[in-house]
Amino acid sequence: GEDVEQSLFLSVREGDSSVINCTYTDSSSTYLYWYKQEPGAGLQLLTYIFSNMDMKQDQRLTVLLNKKDKHLSLRIADTQTGDSAIYFCAEESGGYQKVTFGTGTKLQVIP
Amino acid sequence: DSGVTQTPKHLITATGQRVTLRCSPRSGDLSVYWYQQSLDQGLQFLIQYYNGEERAKGNILERFSAQQFPDLHSELNLSSLELGDSALYFCASTGTSGTEQFFGPGTRLTVL
Repeated sequence: GEDVEQSLFLSVREGDSSVINCTYTDSSSTYLYWYKQEPGAGLQLLTYIFSNMDMKQDQRLTVLLNKKDKHLSLRIADTQTGDSAIYFCAEESGGYQKVTFGTGTKLQVIP
Repeated sequence: DSGVTQTPKHLITATGQRVTLRCSPRSGDLSVYWYQQSLDQGLQFLIQYYNGEERAKGNILERFSAQQFPDLHSELNLSSLELGDSALYFCASTGTSGTEQFFGPGTRLTVL
């Protein structure tokens, strides 16, 4: 089955690093994604990682994938108040571009 | 701006009524997805269409139905509305390479 889980809430101070975690259960996942949802808006893709990679870095964002434990994380370095949003991880699996989203983690950045 | 448009932006209606939400995907995108986002249940996948045909079904109630038209726009029909149907409804589209979903701004449905 497919079930993507995330903690609901994370609070960090401006300038600190944020780490948002995600676990999934479908070992056949091909792509894993991180989306950001700002208040009153739709989701926007932040970054993604292919399932045969362990790590991907993109400026302040680092994605780590542990396939053995089916664990995905998103690290945001030097977190800014503009990073306050809900972050969703998602997995694509099963063909036909089927994507399962996690429950979302609300990141609060304290100035 | 993702290129995906949704109308209306807001919709207020009463229990028992029926509404239609509309989505236009990005130009050239063949896949359309519908999602429901409520406060207590996060983002729920409802249904996916690809080039006019239903491709995948998620947690979509029998009171809800959708279709994708030849011009690729899609409509989500919600009937016999209940208070619990109040939520944000998003559509998203993907291109043929299909790694990224582009989300529309959503329709906020309030059922009174």
